[in-house]
Amino acid sequence: GENVEQHPSTLSVQEGDSAVIKCTYSDSASNYFPWYKQELGKGPQLIIDIRSNVGEKKDQRIAVTLNKTAKHFSLHITETQPEDSAVYFCAASKGYSTLTFGKGTMLLVSP
Amino acid sequence: SAVISQKPSRDICQRGTSLTIQCQVDSQVTMMFWYRQQPGQSLTLIATANQGSEATYESGFVIDKFPISRPNLTFSTLTVSNMSPEDSSIYLCSVALSAGSGVTQYFGPGTRLTVL
Repeated sequence: GENVEQHPSTLSVQEGDSAVIKCTYSDSASNYFPWYKQELGKGPQLIIDIRSNVGEKKDQRIAVTLNKTAKHFSLHITETQPEDSAVYFCAASKGYSTLTFGKGTMLLVSP
Repeated sequence: SAVISQKPSRDICQRGTSLTIQCQVDSQVTMMFWYRQQPGQSLTLIATANQGSEATYESGFVIDKFPISRPNLTFSTLTVSNMSPEDSSIYLCSVALSAGSGVTQYFGPGTRLTVL
């Protein structure tokens, strides 16, 4: 089955800096890659996703890039703010199958 | 997207008892899922609950321990039976909505369960 590795497990940045979280996947047939943000005491919130027919997608301060050849995808957050502090999960799936999640990255943005 | 609510939001239960968690969605969805998230961990799929069919359980999860109902396209319940402290987790309901060639998955706020 699919295996998703996520790095780093924790990431500390200063407000205004950029943050990058990376994930690799094992199943070359996977074609959908969402990112979720989970704040303390809340459920995971979908923040951006990408399908395999594109290499990059951007939504304001966040962007996701996909390299299908290398089987990795990354979340980029620019101009980080304290409210970006949360746990971020990447995931992968193919077609209508269920998601396989990475282990999560705790992002801490210091003012 | 979908608006998903769960009840209760949290509970503290005694060992050996059972708790039923409710999940309500604001639109009709075919695919619903139940996940468990142990403290500080990632999400683990318990089962897929599609309306009109029996729930499909993942390896390590059995119907006797986690019975699921799916009476209609907007509602589902998960029961955690004969609880032990190891069942202390966040239980999350999720739905999948069709999007192009696949689906997009959304999560509820979770139910935080502590078993004493």
